[in-house]
Amino acid sequence: AQKVTQAQTEISVVEKEDVTLDCVYETRDTTYYLFWYKQPPSGELVFLIRRNSFDEQNEISGRYSWNFQKSTSSFNFTITASQVVDSAVYFCALTPTGKLIFGQGTTLQVKP
Amino acid sequence: DAGVIQSPRHEVTEMGQEVTLRCKPISGHNSLFWYRQTMMRGLELLIYFNNNVPIDDSGMPEDRFSAKMPNASFSTLKIQPSEPRDSAVYFCASGRNRWETQYFGPGTRLLVL
Repeated sequence: AQKVTQAQTEISVVEKEDVTLDCVYETRDTTYYLFWYKQPPSGELVFLIRRNSFDEQNEISGRYSWNFQKSTSSFNFTITASQVVDSAVYFCALTPTGKLIFGQGTTLQVKP
Repeated sequence: DAGVIQSPRHEVTEMGQEVTLRCKPISGHNSLFWYRQTMMRGLELLIYFNNNVPIDDSGMPEDRFSAKMPNASFSTLKIQPSEPRDSAVYFCASGRNRWETQYFGPGTRLLVL
C-alpha cells in the first residue's frame, strides 16, 4: 500500500523562527518520487521540489531545505527564518506509478 | 510559457444539472491528471491520461463522472447529473510524462446546490 503521513496538522510560529514539516511515506516500490507542494491562501498548488528514491542528497534552495532519509522513509522540509509569506498549507506527495498520493497537509501559520 | 489553464474558475449549479470542467495542459506535456480536493478526503486523483489515453480511472467516483481527452491540448471532466456532494475544487495537472513533476492549474471551485 502507498501512503503519505503528515502528522502535524497545524503549526504556528513567529516570524524568523525555523520550522520543520514532517513527512513519512510508505511504499513497497524501489523506484518512486517524492514531492512537496505549497498551497497558499489563494488556492493554487505550487511545486517546490521533486526527489527520486535513488537520490538521498539533501537539498537547499534559499531558505528552504529538504532532508530525505530512506532508512526512516522520511522526507522532511525545513524553512529557515520563516516569513509571513510562508503561511500556507504544505503537501508532501509520493508517486511510484505516476499517480500522486498526497498527505493530508500541514497548515503553517507564520505570525509577524 | 503559459501554465495549465482551467475553466471555469468558479461554477455554481443546481443538483441534477450537467457540469463540464475544461483543461488545457502545458504544451509538450504528455500526461494529464484530474484531482479533486475536499476537506474530508483531501487531494485525490480521479483519472489520468498518457498521450491522450486514459491510464488509471480508478479514482472516478461513479458513473456520473466521465473524462475525455480528444487531443493533446484539451481535456474535459463531466459530471452528469451533479449532486451536492460533488462540491469541491477540481484541479487539472500536466507533466512531461507520468514520472515528471506535475504542474497544477488554478483549479475550478464547484458548488452544487
